[in-house]
Formats: sequence, C-alpha cells, structure tokens
Amino acid sequence: GENVEQHPSTLSVQEGDSAVIKCTYSDSASNYFPWYKQELGKRPQLIIDIRSNVGEKKDQRIAVTLNKTAKHFSLHITETQPEDSAVYFCAARTSGTYKYIFGTGTRLKVLA
Amino acid sequence: NAGVTQTPKFQVLKTGQSMTLQCAQDMNHNSMYWYRQDPGMGLRLIYYSASEGTTDKGEVPNGYNVSRLNKREFSLRLESAAPSQTSVYFCASSLVGLHGNSPLHFGNGTRLTVT
Repeated sequence: GENVEQHPSTLSVQEGDSAVIKCTYSDSASNYFPWYKQELGKRPQLIIDIRSNVGEKKDQRIAVTLNKTAKHFSLHITETQPEDSAVYFCAARTSGTYKYIFGTGTRLKVLA
Repeated sequence: NAGVTQTPKFQVLKTGQSMTLQCAQDMNHNSMYWYRQDPGMGLRLIYYSASEGTTDKGEVPNGYNVSRLNKREFSLRLESAAPSQTSVYFCASSLVGLHGNSPLHFGNGTRLTVT
C-alpha cells in the first residue's frame, strides 16, 4: 500500500538558522504533496503544497522541493523564528484515489 | 463560515460503550475524512467518503463505522470502545476530484479516552 516516510522525527535549530524536513513516498502515481503545521493542541493547518508538475515552490520563508525520480520531497524553512516551533506533517495523494497518506511528523524546536 | 466542525471536543468512555463522533462542513466540499492521531504515528486514515453516498476504508478501519448522512455531514461510530481507541480524532474535508488536487481542511479534533 501507499507509504510516506518522514525524517527526522525531532529537529532543534537555533533561531535564524534553516530547517529541512524530508519525506519519501512509495507510490510513483502520487501527484500532490501538501505540508501541514500543527501547534500544540491545535488542528493541522496547510502551510504549503506542491503538485507533481512543479519542482519547487516558495512562499516567503517556506519552500518545498520535489524530486519525482527519487520519490522524495522536502520542506525548507529559512530564518527560523520561535513561532515556527510546532509539529510538521508531510502528505501525499495519488491521482485516481481520494486518500491522503501522512508521514509520522517532525517536531521542530526553534531555540531563542 | 465555520469550516469543519466536530463534536464533542472531549469524551471519556468505558470499555464496551458506544458513541458517535459528529462532523459537519459548510464549504460545499465533496470529500470527507476521519483520521486518528497517536503520538509518534502521525495521522492515520480510518475511513473516507469521496462523495455523498459512498464510503471507503482507510489504513485503520477496524472497530469503526461511518455514515455519510448528506453532503455536509460525516459521522464516525465506535460500537464497542476499546482502550486501543484512545486517541485524538480529526475530521477533514476537501474539494477534490478524482484527479484534481486540493488540500484537506481539518476540524479542531475530538480527544477520546477509553478506560
């Protein structure tokens, strides 16, 4: 079945440094890759997404890259701030299905 | 525009009891989903409904049933609760076609404890 692996499970960075979270998917027919941020006790909220016909997408300090050949995609956060501290989830959706499969999450801590 | 609304927010059950988690969306989305979230295991799909009148199993459907009551509402039922079903449950919806791409919108979650 479909599977999404996410690494690392925890990540600590100094404020102002960059953070990178990586995900690998198993189904080569996956064509949509959203990233969610979840603050403690809150619901997951979309922060950026990328479609399979695009290699990179940026939104201010956040960027996502996609390598379809290797079947992996990454979230990049630059100039990290304390409010970036949260759990981040990647997900993949396969064309022809309605299922969104999530990675196991990365707890990001930005140290002031 | 409330988005995705889940009730209740918290629930404590004893082993063997039953309950229904309610979910409603007001975004005119066609697809709806139930996920459970456990520490270290991310969000796992229990059931989903691609459109009104259809439901399908996800990754972890055992012990659960669902009903897509209409386009707005998608409920999750635990017939005989077990401690292993202690979790946070999230309902989500999406405006997605079979080949289109649209993000999930989540409700605020239901924290369920089974003793």
